Amino acid sequence: QKEVEQDPGPLSVPEGAIVSLNCTYSNSAFQYFMWYRQYSRKGPELLMYTYSSGNKEDGRFTAQVDKSSKYISLFIRDSQPSDSATYLCAMGKSNTGKLIFGQGTTLQVKP
Amino acid sequence: SQTIHQWPATLVQPVGSPLSLECTVEGTSNPNLYWYRQAAGRGLQLLFYSIGIDQISSEVPQNLSASRPQDRQFILSSKKLLLSDSGFYLCAWTEDRATEAFFGQGTRLTVV
Repeated sequence: QKEVEQDPGPLSVPEGAIVSLNCTYSNSAFQYFMWYRQYSRKGPELLMYTYSSGNKEDGRFTAQVDKSSKYISLFIRDSQPSDSATYLCAMGKSNTGKLIFGQGTTLQVKP
Repeated sequence: SQTIHQWPATLVQPVGSPLSLECTVEGTSNPNLYWYRQAAGRGLQLLFYSIGIDQISSEVPQNLSASRPQDRQFILSSKKLLLSDSGFYLCAWTEDRATEAFFGQGTRLTVV
């Protein structure tokens, strides 16, 4: 079993839709969680970072962490064509600094 | 502000040739540095990480090596490239062990 599982998609939605991206993990030692956006042929760009269970909001993006269920989500409200990219979840243990990534979900937002 | 530079952006190398990819970070001191590889349609695999000069850990046995000649410089090398070394290589840095990672723009390596 992989430490982090992420549905690869692709996911296609109309402009303005609410998008839900999800990852599950198996190792309860993970303590901090991130979401990255990666455009084609570019490096990943950090979107959200959170250290605790609950919700964290930043503009149209909301990151949700449920440590009891080992489940994290990224919600995108009012999705735009510019949101079309691959979204990667990542998580780490505080004593190592190493991140484990999901395989990424490819999102297409159609105008 | 901190910036990370990675070059070259694209590289095509024949099998058996050497490799040297360079990464530098500006605007911070004593960063933790990382090399990742991303295969097509897959997530990132950690190859090496370094918490300081002469402190480099390898995560995956492979045909590659890493060095950190200066505090903010991280180099990925190979003496003889294999076809399986093709991929998208990303350098990243963190300020500490439990903080956000910031990535360079990557090097797309094709071994032919």
